[in-house]
Amino acid sequence: DVVMTQSPLSLPVTLGQPASISCRSSQSLAHSDGNTYLNWFQQRPGQSPRRLIYKVSNRDSGVPDRFSGSGSGTDFTLKISRVEAEDVGVYYCLQGTYWPRTFGQGTKVEIK
Amino acid sequence: EMQLLESGGGLVQPGGSLRLSCTASGFIFSNSVMNWVRQAPGKGLEWVSFVTSGGGTTYYTDSVKGRFTISRDNSKNTLYLQMNGLRAEDTALYYCAKGGSFEIWGQGTMVTVSS
Repeated sequence: DVVMTQSPLSLPVTLGQPASISCRSSQSLAHSDGNTYLNWFQQRPGQSPRRLIYKVSNRDSGVPDRFSGSGSGTDFTLKISRVEAEDVGVYYCLQGTYWPRTFGQGTKVEIK
Repeated sequence: EMQLLESGGGLVQPGGSLRLSCTASGFIFSNSVMNWVRQAPGKGLEWVSFVTSGGGTTYYTDSVKGRFTISRDNSKNTLYLQMNGLRAEDTALYYCAKGGSFEIWGQGTMVTVSS
């Protein structure tokens, strides 16, 4: 199975400051169809997960533009340009290139 | 608005069975691949199963193979997860999610396996 490793697992941030989460895969996520199936999800406390980013860098409708995704191959990053209070929660990466689908362990973002 | 609504969770003894349902609205269900994902209390997300739009192809995580069966009834806009031989480690909140990239999630239904 493809192992997805996120870091850090806990991320205390100051309001208005940037934040960055890394996600590394044990194999390249480049698919033979030319796409790279790496998605990012946000799970706020007590809520269901919500997709933020698909195929590495495509932001979902309604997702603030302070969220951005980047990367290629085995190395991916989710960045929040200026953290707001509503960004508190756990963030997960997910690979959709191989079976079984696998999630990262999650990164808990909290306000300092 | 696209929505998914799970139901069917509950308390069951080890070795027992449950059938979860996920009812879709606001999109053409019969055109969408679907997934089940679970989250044990206080833990992360774990993908469980996938089914193609017509139901002809399915995939499972190893820990549920031979015990869980995913299916769908497109005439009822409903996805199912038949869970047999339940174990304590299957205790989790079970979500259904639309699409190959999990673009829409339901609110989840809780399954507790305990004697």
